[in-house]
Amino acid sequence: QVQLKESGPGLVQPSQTLSLTCTVSGFSLMDYSVHWVRQPPGKGLEWMGRMKYDGDTYYNSALKSRLSISRDTSKSQVFLKMNSLQTEDTAIYYCTRTGSFDYWGQGVMVTVSS
Amino acid sequence: DVVLTQTPPTLSATIGQSVSISCRSSQSLLHSNGNTYLNWLLQRPGQPPQLLIYLVSRLESGVPNRFSGSGSGTDFTLKISGVEAEDLGVYYCVQSTHAPFTFGSGTKLEIK
Repeated sequence: QVQLKESGPGLVQPSQTLSLTCTVSGFSLMDYSVHWVRQPPGKGLEWMGRMKYDGDTYYNSALKSRLSISRDTSKSQVFLKMNSLQTEDTAIYYCTRTGSFDYWGQGVMVTVSS
Repeated sequence: DVVLTQTPPTLSATIGQSVSISCRSSQSLLHSNGNTYLNWLLQRPGQPPQLLIYLVSRLESGVPNRFSGSGSGTDFTLKISGVEAEDLGVYYCVQSTHAPFTFGSGTKLEIK
């Protein structure tokens, strides 16, 4: 069955770089896009960017200068890297499939703090 | 960027009551391919969001048919015909017609 699972550090220091991995199963990254979405504590959902099935990427304009999304199709993994982290980047980070957002990972909580 | 405005921000309903949530877009969500990529998600407390409705009105597999979606262009509605206790949570509309994709601010449904 379709599954997505996020992994990465729970704590990142301010000004450092966040690296997250989304490992998928039950479908191919060459057939479906994967998106990253985040949710600050007690707040709404923010679309961050996507890795399209053809390898194309697109980013939220507010994050574009700090954000990079890549993939390793042989490992069924999509990667998120975001630099210059600040406390307002504290959030649950989700990966989700396609522009329909039909399957979601459980999310990983990332806290930015010294 | 497309702005999605959801109303009301909170909704309180009794079991069995029918309710509606509005999602208005700052521009038409009709794609050049003829599809309208407007979806509805429900996020229950402590859970990731789940897809309820896609392409405005298509019910995701496994979702109860008391949920329905309607609308076109810039105005969309999610209706719950007979609220049940398990429906509590925050409802979001999301558009994937125009990149960057965007979410509405959410509507919190409380059960009286």
